[in-house]
Amino acid sequence: GAGVSQSPSNKVTEKGKDVELRCDPISGHTALYWYRQSLGQGLEFLIYFQGNSAPDKSGLPSDRFSAERTGGSVSTLTIQRTQQEDSAVYLCASSLDRNTGELFFGEGSRLTVL
Amino acid sequence: QKEVEQNSGPLSVPEGAIASLNCTYSDRGSQSFFWYRQYSGKSPELIMFIYSNGDKEDGRFTAQLNKASQYVSLLIRDSQPSDSATYLCAVNLFMNRDDKIIFGKGTRLHILP
Repeated sequence: GAGVSQSPSNKVTEKGKDVELRCDPISGHTALYWYRQSLGQGLEFLIYFQGNSAPDKSGLPSDRFSAERTGGSVSTLTIQRTQQEDSAVYLCASSLDRNTGELFFGEGSRLTVL
Repeated sequence: QKEVEQNSGPLSVPEGAIASLNCTYSDRGSQSFFWYRQYSGKSPELIMFIYSNGDKEDGRFTAQLNKASQYVSLLIRDSQPSDSATYLCAVNLFMNRDDKIIFGKGTRLHILP
């Protein structure tokens, strides 16, 4: 497809399990961003990639969170030993490059930790 | 100090009136400013961007930037019920030679029919 694709769209997991969220950006977009949005809240910056490198990881909430991007394309966000406070919608966005602020968002992955 | 601040609202505006949404930011080095609209249950979509001081108009929307005051606003003229949404201000922060795009918490706008 032409847009940003995220999977899974919904994930329900038990506390303590690991989850992996995937983002496939728009072809040719070099910048990729991950945000988290809790119910009724704004977008919390997690991490961004320029190509395969992540210049700023300061937004990751804890060391249980990690992200990688390979081939300058697909990115995965991994949450280990999930906690209930991790429940949120995880949004991925891509941009032509980091100097272009127009972000194109995916539909998000809704994570529910029981 | 929060990096990007917005009044959470809700802001209620009669149909046909002008809706005014405001945003302040903390980093004086910021270069790019954006307004995104987010409908309930949907992802944000870009509606305006502005890089220079002054006004930028696009249809019913006008973005205003004042870098000296670190202030960005969005005006929506002839408000329509379809404008009811959350409006997110976003700023491209340039820190440590790396930049990232930070969002405010958003202002909920409700257009009264």
